[in-house]
Amino acid sequence: EVQLVESGGGLVQPGGSLRLSCAASGFTVSTNYMSWVRQAPGKGLEWLSVIYSGGGTYYADSVKGRFMTSRDSSKNTLHLQMNSLRVDDTAVYYCAREDWTYHFDYWGQGVLVTVSS
Amino acid sequence: QSDLTQPRSVSGSPGQSVTISCTGTSSDVGGYNSVSWYQQYAGKAPKLMLHDVSKRPSGVPERFSGSKSGNTASLTISGLQAEDEADYYCCSYAGSYNRLFGTGTTVTVL
Repeated sequence: EVQLVESGGGLVQPGGSLRLSCAASGFTVSTNYMSWVRQAPGKGLEWLSVIYSGGGTYYADSVKGRFMTSRDSSKNTLHLQMNSLRVDDTAVYYCAREDWTYHFDYWGQGVLVTVSS
Repeated sequence: QSDLTQPRSVSGSPGQSVTISCTGTSSDVGGYNSVSWYQQYAGKAPKLMLHDVSKRPSGVPERFSGSKSGNTASLTISGLQAEDEADYYCCSYAGSYNRLFGTGTTVTVL
């Protein structure tokens, strides 16, 4: 059974950093596309980044240069390093497995990140 | 790039059909057959309902169907049921490694 479990969320001050993790089971992270998607309180979904099976990473303009996606093959885990956090980065962050035709077939339960002083 | 445009809300009585539109541009919806739709209940993760415009994953009821014409994709729920009351989001590949979500639509079963 495919499962994705996010962790690492919490409260951080503006300008701070946070690292999210997404532990996968039932499939291999390194041979799949993996994306991060977030949802601000009361708002819609926003795609943030993707890491391809070949290792290439791509980001939405809103987080480019501040966020970095990586993976740990030994732990079958995806990470999102978030730097220079802003109040408007406050959201529930989801990891999702992405099929090669650009749809998200499995999602984690989400983790809340709150950026506030 | 802007979010894809969806109606804020649609409603229907049980058994009726409702259609949600998802309007983009020739650079996203119109340029690729990579449109997907997600159902989201409050406080829960999204769930894939349709992909590649009209393909249903295993376990998704047949009353959910999809289509696309030009720069607009559509999700139709036929034979609306109480459990279909949720938020729905479209998503499209937008080129240059980007993905775009729609603004979201709340479906209300009257």
